[in-house]
Amino acid sequence: GNSVTQMEGPVTLSEEAFLTINCTYTATGYPSLFWYVQYPGEGLQLLLKATKADDKGSNKGFEATYRKETTSFHLEKGSVQVSDSAVYFCALSFPGGGNKLTFGTGTQLKVEL
Amino acid sequence: EPEVTQTPSHQVTQMGQEVILRCVPISNHLYFYWYRQILGQKVEFLVSFYNNEISEKSEIFDDQFSVERPDGSNFTLKIRSTKLEDSAMYFCASSGQALSGNTIYFGEGSWLTVV
Repeated sequence: GNSVTQMEGPVTLSEEAFLTINCTYTATGYPSLFWYVQYPGEGLQLLLKATKADDKGSNKGFEATYRKETTSFHLEKGSVQVSDSAVYFCALSFPGGGNKLTFGTGTQLKVEL
Repeated sequence: EPEVTQTPSHQVTQMGQEVILRCVPISNHLYFYWYRQILGQKVEFLVSFYNNEISEKSEIFDDQFSVERPDGSNFTLKIRSTKLEDSAMYFCASSGQALSGNTIYFGEGSWLTVV
């Protein structure tokens, strides 16, 4: 079946550090890939997405590239801020599968001054 | 920006009781969903709903669960007889189209505690 694997958290970084959160997937076919973010006390928000191989999704300084050869969609940001502290979820869905999202376990990011 | 709203934000209920979680999807959306997240575990798909009927459901969504769109704005999840293992955060979501890659908008969640 389809699955998403994320790096374990929590991840603790100093402000302005470089962030990478790894995400790999297992799927039959070519899914669309997403990163969702959940800030404390809030719901899930779409951060970025990519719908085909080699696409790069980007938003708010975050970016992720759809790598078919490594079945990965790692999230990166060059310089994190305290306000980026949140839980980040990698997810996939399939064309024709409605919008049923398969999520990873989530990675908690804590950014300190 | 339009948003999905959920009520209640937190509910505590006794085992065996019925619970109804309510959601107001974004007004022009046509596809509605419930997901849940047990503490420390993955966010899991429960059910999708379109054109007044269930379009897909997961193995989790057994006979004790039901969904309804009682009017033009609300979308509800009913758990008929709650179990301890139903304790979780329940997320409602909606989208304008059911195309992979289309944005799904999530609510803030309803935290259900079964005691």
